[in-house]
Amino acid sequence: DVKVTQSSRYLVKRTGEKVFLECVQDMDHENMFWYRQDPGLGLRLIYFSYDVKMKEKGDIPEGYSVSREKKERFSLILESASTNQTSMYLCASSLTGGIFGYTFGSGTRLTVV
Amino acid sequence: GENVEQHPSTLSVQEGDSAVIKCTYSDSASNYFPWYKQELGKRPQLIIDIRSNVGEKKDQRIAVTLNKTAKHFSLHITETQPEDSAVYFCAASSGTASKLTFGTGTRLQVTL
Repeated sequence: DVKVTQSSRYLVKRTGEKVFLECVQDMDHENMFWYRQDPGLGLRLIYFSYDVKMKEKGDIPEGYSVSREKKERFSLILESASTNQTSMYLCASSLTGGIFGYTFGSGTRLTVV
Repeated sequence: GENVEQHPSTLSVQEGDSAVIKCTYSDSASNYFPWYKQELGKRPQLIIDIRSNVGEKKDQRIAVTLNKTAKHFSLHITETQPEDSAVYFCAASSGTASKLTFGTGTRLQVTL
């Protein structure tokens, strides 16, 4: 009963490559989020979206962009991957209209070499 | 923006003992405080949450307390079991943003 799906569990990319991380949710949630998780730093928000074609910067947006063309899909884009973007990337979604907890995807571990 | 601090970063307890993890937040407008548990290699999962109009909430062996005046909240796990071993994250959300700011995590190890 997976509700938030991230397309890849592990990715290895070369420095300078353009990288796409995909996230799909089937719960009809309005809000979607991208976090990166690093040891000792917790989860840090990269970008989020309240609605289709809407996006807001989080705390660490530099080097990233996002796309939300459909309600169920939220893509994270690394325009030119660098080694300091090696990390675990977590997608999450939540309802709007109140205060609700997140449902997370399983994560994508990205290694940039 | 919101800043959430979490302590301790690691915690080791014996099976059957209690564990307490503490978090502080900076934004007095924050009104929702969830706790997530992340087992090794798995996604974070919501285990309990509390809203700012409530001081304490319990769910079996897990409880969360909130002190709005001091801007801190805590997770209490009683009668710990080996399956409680995981990384625990606190978070805070303010107003209509719906976005959560997370603490840096606590690795809890329950030893036999």
